[in-house]
Amino acid sequence: GAVVSQHPSWVICKSGTSVKIECRSLDFQATTMFWYRQFPKQSLMLMATSNEGSKATYEQGVEKDKFLINHASLTLSTLTVTSAHPEDSSFYICSAGTGSGNTGELFFGEGSRLTVL
Amino acid sequence: LAKTTQPISMDSYEGQEVNITCSHNNIATNDYITWYQQFPSQGPRFIIQGYKTKVTNEVASLFIPADRKSSTLSLPRVSLSDTAVYYCLVLVGNTGKLIFGQGTTLQVKP
Repeated sequence: GAVVSQHPSWVICKSGTSVKIECRSLDFQATTMFWYRQFPKQSLMLMATSNEGSKATYEQGVEKDKFLINHASLTLSTLTVTSAHPEDSSFYICSAGTGSGNTGELFFGEGSRLTVL
Repeated sequence: LAKTTQPISMDSYEGQEVNITCSHNNIATNDYITWYQQFPSQGPRFIIQGYKTKVTNEVASLFIPADRKSSTLSLPRVSLSDTAVYYCLVLVGNTGKLIFGQGTTLQVKP
């Protein structure tokens, strides 16, 4: 089946630094990708919809200047956590789909665990 | 957006059939019902998707009544490796968005 890959799978950084997480669709093209955040023992929270060639659409309460999303190609979307702080420590997951409209399967990446010291 | 409600947790034993029911009272006409499985520190994995009636694949069945206000995921003969969190989701219209609810933590015991 289709594969979505994230890199890095885990990262530790100092407070105040920026961290970039990549999400790639390995064997299909994805005009739209989604970014989620998951805190321990909680569900996934949708952060934003990444659109190839245009600006991302952020969910209410998500700071677009804090979480920069770039979808430069049909197989790559990046999430940059700027000026990271300990409260940004979380499990970040991306997804991309092969279907059109409201059908089809969404494939999720393996997730990237960010720890901010 | 359609909100989903499902039990927070369930326990079962190996070899048993497990049914997890989810309610989605305000599901829209164009929305599909999708179930995902998640293990700790991994991304969710697609299990099954349906619109109405019954859908079956190699790992599960999905039962959706005519009013589509609920759905039931059926896992036949579970094993210890089926211990995971199961999410019932509504695929929103033509946006491709999946909004996650709280999920059901299934614990399979030997």
